[in-house]
Amino acid sequence: GAGVSQSPSNKVTEKGKDVELRCDPISGHTALYWYRQSLGQGLEFLIYFQGNSAPDKSGLPSDRFSAERTGGSVSTLTIQRTQQEDSAVYLCASSLARGPYTGELFFGEGSRLTVL
Amino acid sequence: QQQVKQSPQSLIVQKGGISIINCAYENTAFDYFPWYQQFPGKGPALLIAIRPDVSEKKEGRFTISFNKSAKQFSLHIMDSQPGDSATYFCAASNSGNTGKLIFGQGTTLQVKP
Repeated sequence: GAGVSQSPSNKVTEKGKDVELRCDPISGHTALYWYRQSLGQGLEFLIYFQGNSAPDKSGLPSDRFSAERTGGSVSTLTIQRTQQEDSAVYLCASSLARGPYTGELFFGEGSRLTVL
Repeated sequence: QQQVKQSPQSLIVQKGGISIINCAYENTAFDYFPWYQQFPGKGPALLIAIRPDVSEKKEGRFTISFNKSAKQFSLHIMDSQPGDSATYFCAASNSGNTGKLIFGQGTTLQVKP
């Protein structure tokens, strides 16, 4: 079956513009994560969705960042008024979660965001 | 206290040699320690993971060694191959949400033929 799909794969935008990044998780996976990978850096947790529970937004760096997950499937990460420091690869991952044990995370190939 | 420190930043190994990457953590609540492998332009993929109730886990040429008292764990790649050339990330989380991972900074491994 298909893996985690992310779009766009590359996005170049101007400072101050809003961007939307999309994630299609593996069918049937109830847990969905967004991570950010800055150049030469490790991965940084942003947000977690599990079923119908309230999302864990504790990793979002500012109120310019938001995310939603519609129908328990597709997720959109929105960055408002983008800044140059937002330039990074945004990675989405999904897993078959059983309670707090989420098991293996399956990552997409990421959306590379460049803010000029 | 939430950090996971990884070393070295880069590593060059001859084909057939042993690659060793080390990680250290502070938060004693961590109880899940995976290693992810990432090739250029791809997302990370789970390589192997360990929980602190064992000191070692081996899968093929890949072994995790875990030292709970020292709060350290390491990845050993035996008989390293050019196809192992990638970036490796250690990570840690707790059983409250094992997917909410704190990642190390990554190690870029190059295996020379």
